[in-house]
Amino acid sequence: GDSVTQMEGPVTLSEEAFLTINCTYTATGYPSLFWYVQYPGEGLQLLLKATKADDKGSNKGFEATYRKETTSFHLEKGSVQVSDSAVYFCALSPQGGSEKLVFGKGMKLTVNP
Amino acid sequence: DTAVSQTPKYLVTQMGNDKSIKCEQNLGHDTMYWYKQDSKKFLKIMFSYNNKELIINETVPNRFSPKSPDKAHLNLHINSLELGDSAVYFCASSHSGVAGNQPQHFGDGTRLSIL
Repeated sequence: GDSVTQMEGPVTLSEEAFLTINCTYTATGYPSLFWYVQYPGEGLQLLLKATKADDKGSNKGFEATYRKETTSFHLEKGSVQVSDSAVYFCALSPQGGSEKLVFGKGMKLTVNP
Repeated sequence: DTAVSQTPKYLVTQMGNDKSIKCEQNLGHDTMYWYKQDSKKFLKIMFSYNNKELIINETVPNRFSPKSPDKAHLNLHINSLELGDSAVYFCASSHSGVAGNQPQHFGDGTRLSIL
């Protein structure tokens, strides 16, 4: 079945450090790919998405590129802030119009000043 | 002007009880979902409704019964609560779309604790 694998956390970084969160997926065809973020005590919010190979999603300084050849959608940010502390989820929506989101296990990021 | 609202935010109850969680969205979406997030933050879909019709049911025990009176509401009723039901339950909504690429909007969650 479809699945998403994320790097394990938790991760603690200093402010202005570079961030990479690895995400790989298993799915048939061309799923849509997403990064969601969950701030403490809140629901998930869409951070960025990509719907076809080589698409780059970007938002709030975060970027991720849909790599079909490596089935990956790694999240990067050049300089993290304390306000980026949250849990980050990689997710896919299977090709074919399914409404289902399949999530990775999430990675907790803490950014210290 | 909350987009997806769930009530209650916290629910503490005894094993064996029956409880309901309500969800409403004012985004004009036609698809709604329930997700369960366990203590390790793992998030898994339970149900999805499109225009009041059930479209996804992910091998959830039949003690869980979703009900959608209209496309803006999706409630979750749980019978005979068990310790393993303790989790955070999230409601979400979206437009139905081509290739499933419509982003889902989430509520703030309902933290259910079973004593």
